[in-house]
Amino acid sequence: GQQLNQSPQSMFIQEGEDVSMNCTSSSIFNTWLWYKQDPGEGPVLLIALYKAGELTSNGRLTAQFGITRKDSFLNISASIPSDVGIYFCAARFYGGATNKLIFGTGTLLAVQP
Amino acid sequence: DTEVTQTPKHLVMGMTNKKSLKCEQHMGHRAMYWYKQKAKKPPELMFVYSYEKLSINESVPSRFSPECPNSSLLNLHLHALQPEDSALYLCASSQLSWDRASSGANVLTFGAGSRLTVL
Repeated sequence: GQQLNQSPQSMFIQEGEDVSMNCTSSSIFNTWLWYKQDPGEGPVLLIALYKAGELTSNGRLTAQFGITRKDSFLNISASIPSDVGIYFCAARFYGGATNKLIFGTGTLLAVQP
Repeated sequence: DTEVTQTPKHLVMGMTNKKSLKCEQHMGHRAMYWYKQKAKKPPELMFVYSYEKLSINESVPSRFSPECPNSSLLNLHLHALQPEDSALYLCASSQLSWDRASSGANVLTFGAGSRLTVL
């Protein structure tokens, strides 16, 4: 079945450092989403991508929809303590055998002040 | 109003209890979802309602019973649960049902979740 391999699994960084994480799959998708989840809360949408090659920014966050449609990355620049949380990629291929949104395994980010 | 509201925030129940989780949205979204999430794992889809009709049931045990009384409300009725059912239960909604190609079908807005503990 479709799977999203998200890496790294966890990151422990100093405040001010840049962060990069990615999701890859052997399947192609029409949509890539990046969510952040704080402890005890639901996931919150950070960035949505709809076209291959699309590069979108949201403040210090930048995400790209891979040109092969099988991957996406998320960068965070100049990290701050409130960036702590679990980041999930999610992807969807509508028009296929299943239209379900698939989640990656998550990247746990810890930021030391 | 751009929120999905879930109640209760926390629920502790015994294996013989009957309880319900509630979810409400007033964004005019026509699809609503229940997800189950274990610690440090991604959300797992349980049910999808599209235009108040159940459209996806991911082979969830019958001790979980969803209900969609109207387009704004989604309930999850719980009965005879097992300790392994303890998890964060997330409700979500999207503008359109995800059998549609529009981008409005793709973006899910999640609630804060209901933390369930089964003793």
